[in-house]
Amino acid sequence: AQSVTQLDSHVSVSEGTPVLLRCNYSSSYSPSLFWYVQHPNKGLQLLLKYTSAATLVKGINGFEAEFKKSETSFHLTKPSAHMSDAAEYFCVVSDRRAGSYQLTFGKGTKLSVIP
Amino acid sequence: GAGVSQTPSNKVTEKGKYVELRCDPISGHTALYWYRQSLGQGPEFLIYFQGTGAADDSGLPNDRFFAVRPEGSVSTLKIQRTERGDSAVYLCASSRDRGPGTEAFFGQGTRLTVV
Repeated sequence: AQSVTQLDSHVSVSEGTPVLLRCNYSSSYSPSLFWYVQHPNKGLQLLLKYTSAATLVKGINGFEAEFKKSETSFHLTKPSAHMSDAAEYFCVVSDRRAGSYQLTFGKGTKLSVIP
Repeated sequence: GAGVSQTPSNKVTEKGKYVELRCDPISGHTALYWYRQSLGQGPEFLIYFQGTGAADDSGLPNDRFFAVRPEGSVSTLKIQRTERGDSAVYLCASSRDRGPGTEAFFGQGTRLTVV
């Protein structure tokens, strides 16, 4: 079975300071991992994905994440927060079980950016 | 179309009624997914189609829920005898192919309220 734990339900940072959103996963197989962002009244948008290539993955809007197998983690970071980054962020896992490619979402982390 | 389209965007129905939620995936995408997002939670998997067939319906909560995709494009999620606990945002996603590393594109969802 696969699962995702997002360690913080809410993170608040000041504009211009670094962002760290934490995610741990569990998977019986070689997982693919994603971060999605959901702005209010908008659809889910893919930020970045890891699929067994480079362990440091760069995404859109300056976000990046590092896959650490030994720690079963896939934390999302950004060097400098912008007001437009305020949103809900979801860590997602999908593993290579034959015949099923469902995405398993974490409960989400709400990011607030203080001016 | 340019993106995944879901209709209606909002649906209010009385307990016990039948509802249909429609999803138009991105043209050419063979994989289609339905998810349900309750307030304050991450999306939960309901069903996955590859072409016309339901490849994985393990997430459907009970036999009141059913989904079809007769021509391998548009999909309809059907809920019979609705209950107040069915109130949630129902999300549809499509992807070009199947596979755990394939990006899924999400629609904006249908907000279902059962009163």
